[in-house]
This record gives sequence, C-alpha cells and structure tokens, in this order.
Amino acid sequence: SAVISQKPSRDICQRGTSLTIQCQVDSQVTMMFWYRQQPGQSLTLIATANQGSEATYESGFVIDKFPISRPNLTFSTLTVSNMSPEDSSIYLCSVEEGQASYEQYFGPGTRLTVT
Amino acid sequence: GQNIDQPTEMTATEGAIVQINCTYQTSGFNGLFWYQQHAGEAPTFLSYNVLDGLEEKGRFSSFLSRSKGYSYLLLKELQMKDSASYLCAVSGAGSYQLTFGKGTKLSVIP
Repeated sequence: SAVISQKPSRDICQRGTSLTIQCQVDSQVTMMFWYRQQPGQSLTLIATANQGSEATYESGFVIDKFPISRPNLTFSTLTVSNMSPEDSSIYLCSVEEGQASYEQYFGPGTRLTVT
Repeated sequence: GQNIDQPTEMTATEGAIVQINCTYQTSGFNGLFWYQQHAGEAPTFLSYNVLDGLEEKGRFSSFLSRSKGYSYLLLKELQMKDSASYLCAVSGAGSYQLTFGKGTKLSVIP
C-alpha cells in the first residue's frame, strides 16, 4: 500500500490562529480525503480533496474554516482557520487504493491542541 | 443518511475468539470496511466486504449479510496486542466516502 506522511505530527496552537497540515503520498492516487477524530470519538469525513478543482465538503464543514489544496496527485494540505478549543482533534488524511475496491489507507494523523 | 451501530466495549481472554458485530442502515451500499486503531495511532485497514459471505485473512475474518445490514469481525487466537478499537465503516452507493461507526474498544486480558 501507499506510504502516507503528515506534517506536523502534533502542534499546540493559540485560539484565533491558523494551522496548515500537509499530507504527502509516495505514489499518485486519485482520491484523497481529510478526516477529523475528536477525543474519544470516531472519524468524521471533512472533505474530499480533488486534484485541480475545489474540494467537496461534507455537511457541517465549510471552505472558509477548512480550506484545502490539492495541487497534484501526491500532495494535499488542510488548513484549520481561526482556531478555537473545539478544533482540538486529530486530523487524518487518507487515500483510496485497490484496483477493484474502495480500500482507504490513513496517514499517521496530526494531533492538534488549541489553547 | 447512514447509521452504523456497534458495541462500545468488549473484553475477551487471551487465546480466545471474539466476535464484534456491526449493523448499518444506509442509502445505498458500496462495501463495508473494518479498521483497527490502537490508542494514539491512525486506523489500519483490516478487511473489505462487498459481497455476502465470509472473508478470511489469517486470524481475522469478516462476514457480511447485505439483506440484514449486518457484519461481524471475528478475531481468533486473541493476543494482548489485539487490544484496540475496531471501527466498522460503510461506503455508500457511487461514493468513495466512508461513514464510520463509533468503534468497539476491545480489551484482551490474560
């Protein structure tokens, strides 16, 4: 499977600031996704990162708060804007692999704490 | 919308067999996934079922019944390292997007 890395692995940020998280894949993939996992909760899909066009956001998530870039087939960024303590979470990127299935594999995650 | 239910917690003994159930109601279905997540780590892919029946992969097996909206993950010969959360996720029709259940925290005891 593809090797996925994320930067930073963790950060502590002050409220009102923004943080950009990077996701790098070692091979070209069509589908990349961003998820959030709040403390003690399961994963929630934020958006699908589309190469060359605007990301597709899920209900409850908007571009102004979570702008996403996908400049090529191996890289994407997620920005968490104007942060508040409620944004404290683990943010994970995932990629879709598998020639005959929809298998998704996850990066190691970015643990964000907002104070 | 999609609704996925699985037990919150389970405990089992080392060397035993445990079955983690998952029921789902979805508007369309493109497959069911099981992931393992150790505390503080990212989920790792375990299995994918799109057709009815049992898929076996070493100590882990996953079963799907589409007509019943039901799946289970079977773990055999439990080891201490199997203590983790097990996440059931469903992909809707025509979509790559996964909807996750809340996860089942499995504790393996000696």
